[in-house]
Amino acid sequence: GENVEQHPSTLSVQEGDSAVIKCTYSDSASNYFPWYKQELGKGPQLIIDIRSNVGEKKDQRIAVTLNKTAKHFSLHITETQPEDSAVYFCAASFSGGYQKVTFGIGTKLQVIP
Amino acid sequence: DAGITQSPRHKVTETGTPVTLRCHQTENHRYMYWYRQDPGHGLRLIHYSYGVKDTDKGEVSDGYSVSRSKTEDFLLTLESATSSQTSVYFCAISERTGTGLAYEQYFGPGTRLTVT
Repeated sequence: GENVEQHPSTLSVQEGDSAVIKCTYSDSASNYFPWYKQELGKGPQLIIDIRSNVGEKKDQRIAVTLNKTAKHFSLHITETQPEDSAVYFCAASFSGGYQKVTFGIGTKLQVIP
Repeated sequence: DAGITQSPRHKVTETGTPVTLRCHQTENHRYMYWYRQDPGHGLRLIHYSYGVKDTDKGEVSDGYSVSRSKTEDFLLTLESATSSQTSVYFCAISERTGTGLAYEQYFGPGTRLTVT
């Protein structure tokens, strides 16, 4: 089955700096890679995703990149703000009606004002 | 928020007692999922449903059963709760993207279950 590894497990950055979270996956059949943000006491929230036919996607201060050959994908947050502090999860799946989504273990991001 | 609610939001129960968690959605989604979240493990799939009365097992299904008698409700039952089932449980649905080319998963607010 699919295996997703995520690192680092914790990350502290100064406000205004960039943060990068990296993931690797094992199943070359995976073609959909979502990222979730989870704030304390809440459910994971989908913040951005990328499909295997795309190498990079941006949405304001966040961007994701995908290297299919190396089976790597990354989340980049620029100009970090205190409200970006949360746990971030990467995931990999084959995107069909039923999604067997495999999640990474999460990265706790702390943005220091 | 994809119209997902979970109940109860918090529950404390004793080892050996049955527990049922409810997931309710208001937007007629076909696919529904139950996950558990534990430190160091991320989110792991327990069971999923692809329609009324159509369910299947995920990677950590032992000790859990599910039922879906209506499109809007997906129930997770712990027949005899154990301390290892202390966790945060999330329900999720799959929704087709705006382009119609793929599906995205959205999560409910979670249920924190403590088994003493």
